[in-house]
Amino acid sequence: GQNIDQPTEMTATEGAIVQINCTYQTSGFNGLFWYQQHAGEAPTFLSYNVLDGLEEKGRFSSFLSRSKGYSYLLLKELQMKDSASYLCAVRDSNYQLIWGAGTKLIIKP
Amino acid sequence: IAGITQAPTSQILAAGRRMTLRCTQDMRHNAMYWYRQDLGLGLRLIHYSNTAGTTGKGEVPDGYSVSRANTDDFPLTLASAVPSQTSVYFCASSRTSEAPDTQYFGPGTRLTVL
Repeated sequence: GQNIDQPTEMTATEGAIVQINCTYQTSGFNGLFWYQQHAGEAPTFLSYNVLDGLEEKGRFSSFLSRSKGYSYLLLKELQMKDSASYLCAVRDSNYQLIWGAGTKLIIKP
Repeated sequence: IAGITQAPTSQILAAGRRMTLRCTQDMRHNAMYWYRQDLGLGLRLIHYSNTAGTTGKGEVPDGYSVSRANTDDFPLTLASAVPSQTSVYFCASSRTSEAPDTQYFGPGTRLTVL
C-alpha cells in the first residue's frame, strides 16, 4: 500500500530552527509537496521537490532524497505565526496526491 | 470571486438526507478535486476531474457523486448521508493534473451528520 509518515506533533521555541521529517512509500513518484495548514483553515502551498537536493525559499527549505524515500521541511527563525500543521504529500504514478496526516508544530515564546 | 469558493461553510444534516456541497473556481483551472479531512488522517481524495466533462474516483468515493458540467463548478453530492460522512470537505483545483502544478484549496465545508 501507499504510506506517508510524519511525526504527529513537534514543539519548538520562537527564533529557533525546526526540521519536520517525512518518509514515503508510494507507487511511483512524481514530486513531493509541503503544505501549511493553520487551524480551521485550508492548506496552502509551501514547496515542491522533484529532484534530489535542497530547495530554499526564504525562511523555509525543503530537502528530498528519492533513493531513501525521505524529505524534510526546515523552518528557520521561527515565528509565532508558524504554529500550524505541516502536510507532506507525494504525487504517485497516477498523478494523484497521497497525503500524510500532518505534523502539528507548536511554537513557544 | 478570487480563487476557490465553497458553500455552505458548515452544515448539520440528518442521516438519510441528500446534500450537495458547492465548489466554484475562477482561475480557469482544468483539474478539480474533492477531499475529506478527518482528525489523525491525511487528506483523502473522494473524486477528481482532470477536465470539464470527465470525472474519476479517488480513494474513498463510496456514498459520494460528482459532476463537472463546466470548467468552473464541481459539486459534490451525498445521496443519503450517514454519520461516518461527518468531516471537513475541501475542494481544490490545479491548472492541470500533472506535476508540478500546485493544488489550491477552498476554505472548506464542515459537515456534521447526525
